[in-house]
Amino acid sequence: GESVGLHLPTLSVQEGDNSIINCAYSNSASDYFIWYKQESGKGPQFIIDIRSNMDKRQGQRVTVLLNKTVKHLSLQIAATQPGDSAVYFCAENAGNTPLVFGKGTRLSVIA
Amino acid sequence: KAGVTQTPRYLIKTRGQQVTLSCSPISGHRSVSWYQQTPGQGLQFLFEYFSETQRNKGNFPGRFSGRQFSNSRSEMNVSTLELGDSALYLCASSLSGWTGELFFGEGSRLTVL
Repeated sequence: GESVGLHLPTLSVQEGDNSIINCAYSNSASDYFIWYKQESGKGPQFIIDIRSNMDKRQGQRVTVLLNKTVKHLSLQIAATQPGDSAVYFCAENAGNTPLVFGKGTRLSVIA
Repeated sequence: KAGVTQTPRYLIKTRGQQVTLSCSPISGHRSVSWYQQTPGQGLQFLFEYFSETQRNKGNFPGRFSGRQFSNSRSEMNVSTLELGDSALYLCASSLSGWTGELFFGEGSRLTVL
């Protein structure tokens, strides 16, 4: 498959453990945040989003936490599975402006 | 419901040539945006079209251009190709713009020799 990032930060976790992927953003005006998952050879796939009036949002096995004070976003994946292995991107925007993507983190699940 | 379709999936060009990439958005989606993805720079925004009008443009040279048709299908063109244009070009569609989920296609992998 294609490599979407040769020198990305990598997080290795044991199957069944929880994963936490972090993202720092720089624009204090950003009010909308999204996490995307990109598997090899595929386009990014939406995981979960959160708006700035919230600090936590939960989905199926995933939780996004937003700390506006320190401009930090995290994605927590519960009971990580081999199928979760991918590159994860955070993205942000302010108002109706283009999404700005972070550099990504590669998650590797050890079976 | 069909997803975002990009063609071609893979192509090889030589320096100085030009290329046209096509994107068919999800039915009913009026906003189409394009991103360039490279290992070094990650996902970089190229431009966004809404109802046949370019609404946003990223920081790319004029060699990169695009358009959108009345059926919301979009094309992007890169002229006078350079080696550094080798990348995965991703198209994403959404209902109305940037305040909701973007749905991405699988991309067009361009290699410039």
